[in-house]
Amino acid sequence: DTGVSQNPRHKITKRGQNVTFRCDPISEHNRLYWYRQTLGQGPEFLTYFQNEAQLEKSRLLSDRFSAERPKGSFSTLEIQRTEQGDSAMYLCASSLAKGNEKLFFGSGTQLSVL
Amino acid sequence: SQQGEEDPQALSIQEGENATMNCSYKTSINNLQWYRQNSGRGLVHLILIRSNEREKHSGRLRVTLDTSKKSSSLLITASRAADTASYFCAPENFRVGGTSYGKLTFGQGTILTVHP
Repeated sequence: DTGVSQNPRHKITKRGQNVTFRCDPISEHNRLYWYRQTLGQGPEFLTYFQNEAQLEKSRLLSDRFSAERPKGSFSTLEIQRTEQGDSAMYLCASSLAKGNEKLFFGSGTQLSVL
Repeated sequence: SQQGEEDPQALSIQEGENATMNCSYKTSINNLQWYRQNSGRGLVHLILIRSNEREKHSGRLRVTLDTSKKSSSLLITASRAADTASYFCAPENFRVGGTSYGKLTFGQGTILTVHP
């Protein structure tokens, strides 16, 4: 499968714990995006990377959230000191930034904070 | 980037019927995309229509764009139970020299239910 891969698919954690999610984009894609989606809502933009550079962060991304893309390939999203309000589906998407604007999404990581 | 607003919020039809969903947006755009999301999965790109296009087809999908009314519609003909999903539009406006290129903002979507 050469699509966008996200791990884990599900994560259950206790409030106050740290969690880390991984995204492997389509290999030739240089742009990578993180979105968060809660039930009944559309995906909300969190942040994106062009290669290894983080170019934009949403104001939704509090200082407990950090994202990295160290070698311009896979990315990780870490949430520190999780809160119940962090419970959501975290979606990763990638695209090829050369006139092809469509995003390819992974299946997401469903986070439940107890 | 800007957000599109989908209408209706929910649509329920019988298999074989056509389904029409609408999208409105507020400012000028370069293109507009439609995505589908099955329950518990990621979004899947359906079709992209550019601001200088008025209509585009892909299989059973027909998308129209009216830039004077700042609206788009997605028509699914001869619907199937497998079309049951949420549908999102994403209008895109490239900032000149900016870094928002490729960043999409989604509305709440239209939940389509197709009954067998």
